[in-house]
Amino acid sequence: GQNIDQPTEMTATEGAIVQINCTYQTSGFNGLFWYQQHAGEAPTFLSYNVLDGLEEKGRFSSFLSRSKGYSYLLLKELQMKDSASYLCAATDSNYQLIWGAGTKLIIKP
Amino acid sequence: GAVVSQHPSWVICKSGTSVKIECRSLDFQATTMFWYRQFPKQSLMLMATSNEGSKATYEQGVEKDKFLINHASLTLSTLTVTSAHPEDSSFYICSARDNIGQGDTGELFFGEGSRLTVL
Repeated sequence: GQNIDQPTEMTATEGAIVQINCTYQTSGFNGLFWYQQHAGEAPTFLSYNVLDGLEEKGRFSSFLSRSKGYSYLLLKELQMKDSASYLCAATDSNYQLIWGAGTKLIIKP
Repeated sequence: GAVVSQHPSWVICKSGTSVKIECRSLDFQATTMFWYRQFPKQSLMLMATSNEGSKATYEQGVEKDKFLINHASLTLSTLTVTSAHPEDSSFYICSARDNIGQGDTGELFFGEGSRLTVL
């Protein structure tokens, strides 16, 4: 079957760095997305990886290893506004998104 | 990036009435749109896939006669919650893929969401 695993909740300190991991098993693979969702709001796009390696975009970076079925989202210089749920989603051979349950990130002062 | 507009943002209705939620892709065309439901502190749950010009595909456990989906054009899909009850109170979110052009990555663009409260 198809499956996405990511931690349910993580806690980090303002100004620190946090890494949110995601492992996936899909029928075929056409890339992996990370979305951010604040409570009561719709998800917003953060990153898309289809090739192995690290993609950096400001304070946020995303890494992909296709051979390991593994990705992570790295958040640097954490700010209180980064408190949100982070959703990992992989696209299968039909470009359908398979969603993880999301990781709730709590930032403490 | 592509924009998806969802309306209304908030709706309160009486039990037994029907509510229609619209999802529009403003600057692209989409043959496929998706409807999600999200209860407080829970993840997105895909309800159905809306296909332009054909019947929607519903996920297991979602009543197609209760949640009517119409995808009449390449820029509009509607979700109608019929005979709404308090347990239908939830956050409903639509999304669309820009899959008409080339290079479809599968990325979804989300609407703002519609919060339904059934009294």
